[in-house]
Amino acid sequence: NAGVTQTPKFRVLKTGQSMTLLCAQDMNHEYMYWYRQDPGMGLRLIHYSVGEGTTAKGEVPDGYNVSRLKKQNFLLGLESAAPSQTSVYFCASTPEARGYEQYFGPGTRLTVT
Amino acid sequence: GENVEQHPSTLSVQEGDSAVIKCTYSDSASNYFPWYKQELGKRPQLIIDIRSNVGEKKDQRIAVTLNKTAKHFSLHITETQPEDSAVYFCAATLSGGYQKVTFGTGTKLQVIP
Repeated sequence: NAGVTQTPKFRVLKTGQSMTLLCAQDMNHEYMYWYRQDPGMGLRLIHYSVGEGTTAKGEVPDGYNVSRLKKQNFLLGLESAAPSQTSVYFCASTPEARGYEQYFGPGTRLTVT
Repeated sequence: GENVEQHPSTLSVQEGDSAVIKCTYSDSASNYFPWYKQELGKRPQLIIDIRSNVGEKKDQRIAVTLNKTAKHFSLHITETQPEDSAVYFCAATLSGGYQKVTFGTGTKLQVIP
């Protein structure tokens, strides 16, 4: 059981470039989330999904898009990267019956120059 | 929406001493309070949680207390060890189905050998 995995682990982008972060989970969890972690600000929810084919906005969705075409995958896209999106991105998943138990991926460190 | 405040932001203790981290929440409907530990460069991991129908919960050297009336909850670590050094996040949520988890801003605990 790999749990929650994320690719890539590190990435450097120039302003205006685009990229997609991939999150995969093999625990058959219904719910998946994308967070960003910035110093002194904790974990802030970007987007989330309560099931295959569904997505919803979180606390800080601007500049990001997501898709959940398969239950096990949750993709986070940056269409036109900005320096303000420099952050560590964590994906998480939770089982339907215990939506409060967050299982986190290892994180992706993104730098936008 | 829910707001979680966490104090202190940094905490240094001598090995063997106790450490206490405090959180307050704003939404009286919240009924599940998990704590996550994040070691340097690693993913956050759930270490203990408490539900609103319980006042205290212990697991070896860590304990959590909850005061529903005051909307306070705390993490207590006794006999601290260097491996307890990490960032600790409190969170508040509702326990049924999908519920947004609101995280505190984190406490960086340093245990000095």
